[in-house]
Amino acid sequence: DGGITQSPKYLFRKEGQNVTLSCEQNLNHDAMYWYRQDPGQGLRLIYYSQIVNDFQKGDIAEGYSVSREKKESFPLTVTSAQKNPTAFYLCASRSNTQGSNNQPQHFGDGTRLSIL
Amino acid sequence: GNSVTQMEGPVTLSEEAFLTINCTYTATGYPSLFWYVQYPGEGLQLLLKATKADDKGSNKGFEATYRKETTSFHLEKGSVQVSDSAVYFCALVHRGSTLGRLYFGRGTQLTVWP
Repeated sequence: DGGITQSPKYLFRKEGQNVTLSCEQNLNHDAMYWYRQDPGQGLRLIYYSQIVNDFQKGDIAEGYSVSREKKESFPLTVTSAQKNPTAFYLCASRSNTQGSNNQPQHFGDGTRLSIL
Repeated sequence: GNSVTQMEGPVTLSEEAFLTINCTYTATGYPSLFWYVQYPGEGLQLLLKATKADDKGSNKGFEATYRKETTSFHLEKGSVQVSDSAVYFCALVHRGSTLGRLYFGRGTQLTVWP
């Protein structure tokens, strides 16, 4: 079955440490997205990518970095510059074919990041 | 700009009660509209969608109608079950956007008691 796989499900970060969250999709989607979810705040866009080797900052990109070397993969690194990283992180993907704005984004099951 | 406003939660209902979760939007042009559902500890799942005015999206007993005149997309279900307990998100995408960016409401927590 096609889908989006996020790993790990739970992640702990020490002060001053960078951590990387994995997102892999086998839906053959061009576009991929990272969101941060905090209680009572809904979802906020961190980064997105429309094609391989290209990505753009979302609303809250400071303290995060991404890469898009393969169509299937869009890892997110939470750097030590992100002072409040505790949150639930969701990865999504979507087809970019013609008329695709009517198509929904598909989400992974998320990674919960906590500070030690 | 584009934005979505949902009714504040939490919403608490007894089983078999009628559910309405209000959603209104602001958008340039004509967006496509979505409802997503998030069960505890999981990602978001698409519940239903509507792509043009007067369209009705429906799934699993839930319905929502795209009302252009009131810029609304309220979610309804005639008889909720305990298994419907989750967080519900209303979202839009601007159809003219090549980026496909989704704009979400803040989510509404629903708890259904037996």
